[in-house]
Amino acid sequence: EIVMTQSPATLSVSPGERATLSCRASQSISNNLAWYQQKPGQGPRLLIYHASTRATSVSDRFSGSGSGTEFTLTISSLRSEDFAVYYCQQYDNSWTFGQGTKVEIK
Amino acid sequence: EVQLVESGGNLVQPGGSLRLSCAASGFTFGDLGMSWVRQAPGKGLEWVSYISSSSSNIYYADSVGGRFTISRDNAKNSLYLQMNSLRDEDTAVYYCARLRVGATYVFDAFDLWGQGTVVTVSS
Repeated sequence: EIVMTQSPATLSVSPGERATLSCRASQSISNNLAWYQQKPGQGPRLLIYHASTRATSVSDRFSGSGSGTEFTLTISSLRSEDFAVYYCQQYDNSWTFGQGTKVEIK
Repeated sequence: EVQLVESGGNLVQPGGSLRLSCAASGFTFGDLGMSWVRQAPGKGLEWVSYISSSSSNIYYADSVGGRFTISRDNAKNSLYLQMNSLRDEDTAVYYCARLRVGATYVFDAFDLWGQGTVVTVSS
């Protein structure tokens, strides 16, 4: 099974600042990686797929990069609605998720 | 409106059974693969099972294989998860999720999720 590891577990950021979230795969997954946002009481929302392609209606403040085993989600100029938990997911072989990064207001 | 709505969650005793349903609307359900993903209380996401558009390809996570059965009825725009021999560790919110529109391979991202249904396994 491919293990996904996210860091940090919690990220404290002030509104208007940039947030950088990391995700590492236990083996190469090419660019078969997605990022999701989840708010309390809601199902996840797809933000990024194929490591760097924004999903429909996703703000260009969200950008993804990386390939192989190292990936990054960057949120530029955080807004109040961006404070949530973010998960990475590999789909190179079956599907596995990272443990999540909580982005909280500093 | 494009949406997925889960139902069927409940409190059940260990060893019991439960059948979850997911009603799809606003898109051509029969064209897309579907999955179940669960989230234990305060925990992260865990993929559970996948079924292709024609039901020809079905996969399960090791944690549920042999106990859970995924199925779909394209005429009714519905996805199901039959859960047998339930254990305490199956307690979770269960989400149905759609394989991304435009996916060219069985493994891809999930671009539409429901709000979830709660399954609690406890005596």
